[in-house]
Amino acid sequence: NAGVMQNPRHLVRRRGQEARLRCSPMKGHSHVYWYRQLPEEGLKFMVYLQKENIIDESGMPKERFSAEFPKEGPSILRIQQVVRGDSAAYFCASSPGTGLYEQYFGPGTRLTVT
Amino acid sequence: ILNVEQSPQSLHVQEGDSTNFTCSFPSSNFYALHWYRWETAKSPEALFVMTLNGDEKKKGRISATLNTKEGYSYLYIKGSQPEDSATYLCALDGIKAAGNKLTFGGGTRVLVKP
Repeated sequence: NAGVMQNPRHLVRRRGQEARLRCSPMKGHSHVYWYRQLPEEGLKFMVYLQKENIIDESGMPKERFSAEFPKEGPSILRIQQVVRGDSAAYFCASSPGTGLYEQYFGPGTRLTVT
Repeated sequence: ILNVEQSPQSLHVQEGDSTNFTCSFPSSNFYALHWYRWETAKSPEALFVMTLNGDEKKKGRISATLNTKEGYSYLYIKGSQPEDSATYLCALDGIKAAGNKLTFGGGTRVLVKP
């Protein structure tokens, strides 16, 4: 049973480019969470999605960031017109439902904006 | 904004010694508490999900207790081994709204010296 998969593991973008981060949840998991770790900071919640729905995006920056979890395929976190402050590690987690479930984390994507 | 505090930030333990550290959280906004173990260059690994006051959970040499009335949890490592070296994160799952977004503490970095 493969764990949560994220790709790419490392992504370098120039300022102004777009970054697309992918997350494939564990088999049987329909709930996906994205977290961000800025340099020297802890993990911070960004967005929670179920298939085809954004449930809670209270942690997402208001501009340039978007997320989706289509019926088929991985969840995508998209950052448009990246800036240096977007440089961080982005982690995806999945769970089989809400309630007292563990969230299983992927290995993260480390985004560097030059 | 939920405030989850962990102390100490880091600690050194001699191999074979036992240790413990704290996670504190606002007791008025509690649904569940998660503990994770995070080794460098790996994904955070779920250790425990705890919800009941007085709850105790154990996995091998690692155990945790929970006090929801006063808002703290302890993680214990008995007979520390070098492979226990990691950052231990606690995360609060606040009063259930939509989904289970986690608010993480800053972590306690444990280094076990042989």
